[in-house]
Amino acid sequence: SQQGEEDPQALSIQEGENATMNCSYKTSINNLQWYRQNSGRGLVHLILIRSNEREKHSGRLRVTLDTSKKSSSLLITASRAADTASYFCATDGVNNAGNMLTFGGGTRLMVKP
Amino acid sequence: DVKVTQSSRYLVKRTGEKVFLECVQDMDHENMFWYRQDPGLGLRLIYFSYDVKMKEKGDIPEGYSVSREKKERFSLILESASTNQTSMYLCASSMRGGNTEAFFGQGTRLTVV
Repeated sequence: SQQGEEDPQALSIQEGENATMNCSYKTSINNLQWYRQNSGRGLVHLILIRSNEREKHSGRLRVTLDTSKKSSSLLITASRAADTASYFCATDGVNNAGNMLTFGGGTRLMVKP
Repeated sequence: DVKVTQSSRYLVKRTGEKVFLECVQDMDHENMFWYRQDPGLGLRLIYFSYDVKMKEKGDIPEGYSVSREKKERFSLILESASTNQTSMYLCASSMRGGNTEAFFGQGTRLTVV
């Protein structure tokens, strides 16, 4: 069963604009992570936010977490054409065996030059 | 550079064949994962291993088995390949313990004809 669901499924913006992607999940978590995937390649870790954190920054990335609403958002500021990729949220659930990561369906971001 | 290496980028197999997908990591990670990725469905966990010879079923284990005889190697086996197993397969590894990121291989695109 999918734990996370991203919204929107696809997003198209102009270079320089901000991109916001949202993730909702179902069960209690230890942490939530965001990954990026270039077309046809493996996933690359972007940022991890723990369940007791509300906001985290890394370069042009800003992640928020609202555990009461079971949701997170990823903001990419001042987007570039090179940011074109799919973005996935993944949750490390409290009741997982070991540290299983459960992924959502992803958001396809296109940044037009 | 940390590395997760999948043995093949592309594979074409016939229906009914036994298929082995190999994954090797050089980070001494305890956890290893196999996911399949299909359009619109995101990443779905097939199997997870948290130690040598240990495994846990993920969301979609039917038609698959796994082997972890050495810490660095995690194999996914399709006992009798079927066309509905045509997909992108992604291997990942992570350290044991909470709040750790996963490292992904480049993926194997398997086509069963």
